[in-house]
Amino acid sequence: AQSVTQLDSHVSVSEGTPVLLRCNYSSSYSPSLFWYVQHPNKGLQLLLKYTSAATLVKGINGFEAEFKKSETSFHLTKPSAHMSDAAEYFCVVSDRPPPGGSYIPTFGRGTSLIVHP
Amino acid sequence: EAGVAQSPRYKIIEKRQSVAFWCNPISGHATLYWYQQILGQGPKLLIQFQNNGVVDDSQLPKDRFSAERLKGVDSTLKIQPAKLEDSAVYLCASSQSGTYISYNEQFFGPGTRLTVL
Repeated sequence: AQSVTQLDSHVSVSEGTPVLLRCNYSSSYSPSLFWYVQHPNKGLQLLLKYTSAATLVKGINGFEAEFKKSETSFHLTKPSAHMSDAAEYFCVVSDRPPPGGSYIPTFGRGTSLIVHP
Repeated sequence: EAGVAQSPRYKIIEKRQSVAFWCNPISGHATLYWYQQILGQGPKLLIQFQNNGVVDDSQLPKDRFSAERLKGVDSTLKIQPAKLEDSAVYLCASSQSGTYISYNEQFFGPGTRLTVL
């Protein structure tokens, strides 16, 4: 069975400082992993995805994430936070299904990123 | 390319009433998802369709919730009768990939905010 844990419900940083949003997953098969962002009163948008190619994945707006199988982690980072990064971030896992099965996504509870001027 | 359309955007009903939400996915997308997002939580998958067949509905409260995707295009989610705890945002998403493709980036609609009084 798959599951995902976002280790922090809130992360607060100052503008210009690095961002780290932590995500750990549990998966029975080779997972696909995603990060989505949800700005206030806006729809969910894909930031980046890992699909068993390169373990370091680059996304939009300067975000990147590294897949670490040994640690079952997929943490999201950005070197320098911007005020516009303030939003809710969701880590998503989707197990590779057994033959005949389907990919079914599971969302984490979300991490709220707060950026101070 | 038009995005995922949902209607209505807002709905207020009293408990024990019924309500229906509509979703039109991106053209050509085979997979359609309905999520429930309660305030402060991550989206919870209610039901996933592959064309007009159900892939997963394990978290759908089937005593009161129903969903259909009759022609494999648009979809309707219904709640009857509604309870106070059904107050949430109902998100529809679609993805291009089918059952056997290794990733499934989802495109989300704006959601329907339901308030049950």
